[in-house]
Amino acid sequence: FVLTQPLSVSESPGKTVTISCTRSSGSIVSSYVQWYQQRPGSVPKTVIYQNNLRPSGVPDRFSGSTDSSSSSASLTISGLTAEDEADYYCQSFDDSTWVFGGGTKLTVL
Amino acid sequence: VQLKQSGAEVRKPGESLQISCQTSGFAFGSYWIGWVRQKPGKGLEWMGIIYPGDSDTRYGPSFQGQVTISADRSINTVYLHLSSLKASDTATYYCARHYNQYFDFWGQGTQVTVSS
Repeated sequence: FVLTQPLSVSESPGKTVTISCTRSSGSIVSSYVQWYQQRPGSVPKTVIYQNNLRPSGVPDRFSGSTDSSSSSASLTISGLTAEDEADYYCQSFDDSTWVFGGGTKLTVL
Repeated sequence: VQLKQSGAEVRKPGESLQISCQTSGFAFGSYWIGWVRQKPGKGLEWMGIIYPGDSDTRYGPSFQGQVTISADRSINTVYLHLSSLKASDTATYYCARHYNQYFDFWGQGTQVTVSS
């Protein structure tokens, strides 16, 4: 299966942005969805795991959800700051295969 | 929890390379350890994963037969072996610990450059 993300999104500081991740086949709820943040030159960092859980240290401005009707997952970031500007990748799993989405570049204008 | 990878490498086309990922701070034999490739300016690609407890190994479809993942339990280290290198193998390679379908701790990455 493939996870499809928009190439880029942009929004102003203080606003809210949502990044989608659509699964091509199978159900989005059949496996957990994770979200990773990667700033330029840095190692990927988990911001959401198991669909909607935040690792300690990740602000509650980050939230995740899934929608079985559209077979998609979403990452929502509220109160955008310049620090949030990064690439975001969704990731899921099925039948001993781990799949990453293509990544979305978030620009905070 | 720490995953420390070996340093940057430069190789010529056709050569081989082994990258190491030394782990500490957790029960090495009880967690899957995966490898992820990131080509310059591109996204993350899952390459494969190994369970050091019994050396069970899985590979992504694009990497099956192209790379070899192994583990040495005596030194808590996982390896990624790349052979017959091509310029298109130029990338940063990450190891990462797997827990419950996701990768919770990552190595710092190893930059590999393949150039004649």
